[in-house]
Amino acid sequence: DTGVSQNPRHKITKRGQNVTFRCDPISEHNRLYWYRQTLGQGPEFLTYFQNEAQLEKSRLLSDRFSAERPKGSFSTLEIQRTEQGDSAMYLCASSLPPGQGFSPTGELFFGEGSRLTVL
Amino acid sequence: QKEVEQNSGPLSVPEGAIASLNCTYSDRGSQSFFWYRQYSGKSPELIMSIYSNGDKEDGRFTAQLNKASQYVSLLIRDSQPSDSATYLCAVTSVGSGAGSYQLTFGKGTKLSVIP
Repeated sequence: DTGVSQNPRHKITKRGQNVTFRCDPISEHNRLYWYRQTLGQGPEFLTYFQNEAQLEKSRLLSDRFSAERPKGSFSTLEIQRTEQGDSAMYLCASSLPPGQGFSPTGELFFGEGSRLTVL
Repeated sequence: QKEVEQNSGPLSVPEGAIASLNCTYSDRGSQSFFWYRQYSGKSPELIMSIYSNGDKEDGRFTAQLNKASQYVSLLIRDSQPSDSATYLCAVTSVGSGAGSYQLTFGKGTKLSVIP
């Protein structure tokens, strides 16, 4: 399978615990995005990497959230001291480098998501 | 605040009819426009992209873009029950970081195709 891969698919945790999600993008895609989606809402942008550089962070991303992309390959999203409001689907997407295709973003391809439930 | 607005629906159409989904956006500098389909509990799947004014057709789907009116639409011809899903409009906007772009999504329109 050469699509975007996310792990774990489901995570149930108690309030106050730390959780980490992993995303493996499509291999030739150098751009990687994290989005969060709650029920009845569209995906909300969290952060964006071009290769290993984190170029953009949303104001939604509190200091309890940290994302990394060492070596420009896979990425991790860590949430410290989880709160019930963090319960959501965390979506990872990747896209081609700029200049390929017509879109400056490239077309985003999403993984299956990691669903977090904080009790 | 860059916004993408969609009617949340639900939009119900009979099987075989044309479903029309609409989207407006606030950022005049937006260059790229996408429609994603999302089945319940699944991740968004790209179905159409459009970059210039006018219509773009792909099978039963037609995307329409009017940048002057800041309006994007998606038409689904010969609607099938399998088209029942939430349709997300997404628009490219320039981020604050150098060379940064991000995709801003609407809340989605839920479509139900009635057999």
